[in-house]
Amino acid sequence: DIQMTQSPSTLSASVEDRVTITCRASQSISPWLAWYQQKPGKAPKVLISQASNLESGVPSRFSGSGSGTDFTLTISSLQPDDFATYYCQQYHSFPLTFGGGTKVDIK
Amino acid sequence: QVQVQQWGAGLVKPSGTLSLTCGVSGGFFSGSYCSWSRQPPGKGLEWIGEINHSETTYYNPSLTSRVIISLDPSRNQCSLNLISVTAADTAVYYCARRPYYRGSNSWGQGTQVTVSS
Repeated sequence: DIQMTQSPSTLSASVEDRVTITCRASQSISPWLAWYQQKPGKAPKVLISQASNLESGVPSRFSGSGSGTDFTLTISSLQPDDFATYYCQQYHSFPLTFGGGTKVDIK
Repeated sequence: QVQVQQWGAGLVKPSGTLSLTCGVSGGFFSGSYCSWSRQPPGKGLEWIGEINHSETTYYNPSLTSRVIISLDPSRNQCSLNLISVTAADTAVYYCARRPYYRGSNSWGQGTQVTVSS
C-alpha cells in the first residue's frame, strides 16, 4: 500500500496569510493526487485533481504542485472561509489512501 | 448537476451487518467509480472501497474480508455492506462519485453509523 504523510498536522494562520501544506507519498504517484477541504460536520470537497488541476468552482487562490512523491497545496491569501481541515489522497493505485489531514485554524 | 444521496440504518448491533445505499441523480456511474469512505469520531478519512460501472470492485485490505460493494446500474445506485461489525466500525460513512483520473467530486451527505447493543 502507498502511505501518504501530510505535514503539518495543525497550522495556525491569519487571514491573508500564504499557507502551504505538503503531502509525501511512499512511492511515486504522479500525477494521481487529489486535495480535499473538509469543514466540521460536512462531507469533503475536492479542490484539486491530478496534482495541479483546479476543480470547477474552486477559487484561484488554491493551487497544487509537485511530482513524483512530493506535493504541495498552497492557499495564496487565506480567507475566513478557508479555515478547515485539508486532506490529500493518492489514486495512483488501489488501495487508495488519504493523508492524515492538516487542520488550518485561526492564529 | 450530479447529486449524491445516501441512506441506511444509523444503529447496528455488534456482530451485525452495516448496510448503506447511495444514489446518483443527474448523472451516471459510467466513466466513474462509486466510492465509499468513513471517518471515525475525531479522526481522519479512511477509504473503504470502490466499484466501477463494469462492477469491478477494489477494497481496503484491512476490510476486504468483511466488505461487499455492489452496483445497480438501472437505478444508478450502489450499496455498501459490512459484516461482523464492532464498536471500531462506528464512524460517519460517505459515498461519493469519483470520475476516472480525478478525485471524488460529488459526495453524499454522510451517514453516522453507531455500533452498539
